[in-house]
Amino acid sequence: DVKVTQSSRYLVKRTGEKVFLECVQDMDHENMFWYRQDPGLGLRLIYFSYDVKMKEKGDIPEGYSVSREKKERFSLILESASTNQTSMYLCASSLHPTAHEQYFGPGTRLTVT
Amino acid sequence: AQSVAQPEDQVNVAEGNPLTVKCTYSVSGNPYLFWYVQYPNRGLQFLLKYITGDNLVKGSYGFEAEFNKSQTSFHLKKPSALVSDSALYFCAVRDTGTASKLTFGTGTRLQVTL
Repeated sequence: DVKVTQSSRYLVKRTGEKVFLECVQDMDHENMFWYRQDPGLGLRLIYFSYDVKMKEKGDIPEGYSVSREKKERFSLILESASTNQTSMYLCASSLHPTAHEQYFGPGTRLTVT
Repeated sequence: AQSVAQPEDQVNVAEGNPLTVKCTYSVSGNPYLFWYVQYPNRGLQFLLKYITGDNLVKGSYGFEAEFNKSQTSFHLKKPSALVSDSALYFCAVRDTGTASKLTFGTGTRLQVTL
């Protein structure tokens, strides 16, 4: 089975802090994704990556950046955390970006105070 | 642009009864369609997908979905609901005719009661 792990389940940070969210997958998938999930809004794509060192903006990239130095690891960075970035963050991976399903990690619930 | 709509925020059903969770989509080309389930404090789990072929797709945990091109729908169904099916369900779509990403609906909470 595909396993996608995220570094923290719960995280509390202060406004202005730099925040790193880590995601690791163990199935040699090419594609990795970062979403945020908010009640009533569903999942919104922040960034995705289809190869090492490659990244593409999703629907809501503002205030975020990403890093993919190794195939199995995809990091989401909040350069200067703000309260409106309080959310559930979900990482996913897939073998192929189109026809194949995405496999999700357990999520990180981030609270910015 | 592609979009997906889940018109019901919540669906309530008694255990043993059939359930339907609705999903409609809009794409310019042909769709790839997916259903995911999210249990409390967990990530999303893949249930089933429609890529091509038979309009009735069977997935995990006894769920199935029917692709209806004329009605642009992909409703999730199960003949007999279980209390353990209570969760948040997401429909997602990708337009095969563009280089677009997966678009998720806002989710439908399924509540199954005894």
